[in-house]
Amino acid sequence: GALVYQYPRRTICKSGTSMRMECQAVGFQATSVAWYRQSPQKTFELIALSTVNSAIKYEQNFTQEKFPISHPNLSFSSMTVLNAYLEDRGLYLCGARDNQAPLFGEGTRLSVL
Amino acid sequence: QQKVQQSPESLTVSEGAMASLNCTFSDGTSDNFRWYRQHSGKGLEMLVSIFSDGEKEEGRFTAHLNRASLHVSLHIREPQPSDSAVYLCAVSIGNMDYKLTFGTGTSLLVDP
Repeated sequence: GALVYQYPRRTICKSGTSMRMECQAVGFQATSVAWYRQSPQKTFELIALSTVNSAIKYEQNFTQEKFPISHPNLSFSSMTVLNAYLEDRGLYLCGARDNQAPLFGEGTRLSVL
Repeated sequence: QQKVQQSPESLTVSEGAMASLNCTFSDGTSDNFRWYRQHSGKGLEMLVSIFSDGEKEEGRFTAHLNRASLHVSLHIREPQPSDSAVYLCAVSIGNMDYKLTFGTGTSLLVDP
């Protein structure tokens, strides 16, 4: 079956350091990949979206300089949180889709010390 | 910018009683609506999606959509303690279907 795999599931980093997380679509070719963040006590916010034949589009309050995304193909995507601080804590979800509803991974939970 | 609000913020029901959750959205051109749930410490599980006015049933989960009222609801028949989770409404628009705006969530507790 189709699923989205995220790695790592949990991670802790020191304030000011960077953390890379990965997302892989298994069993299907994703035409779009989206990264969301759920900060403590908040709902999910879209960070950025990449679709076939389009540049990665970042939402307001999120930048490529802070959250660079790499995707050699649309079945694999990685995102780095650069210079992480307390406000970057939360659950980072990757959502990928082909022609069906988006499938989400279980997320990478980031803690910042 | 799309605003998606959910109510109630938290809900406690007894096992077997119907649970009803509400979601309102601000953009009347929205046409894709999905309900997800998130168990503690876990990712998102999609429950039901609906794209036209009326209702859509997936097992014990039924979504009702009234776009004129900017309202979509989720009803859980015969809820069980394992259904205790945060329920999230997600709204998107046509060719922006990949861009979901999530609601604030309803925390459901099902008492045995």
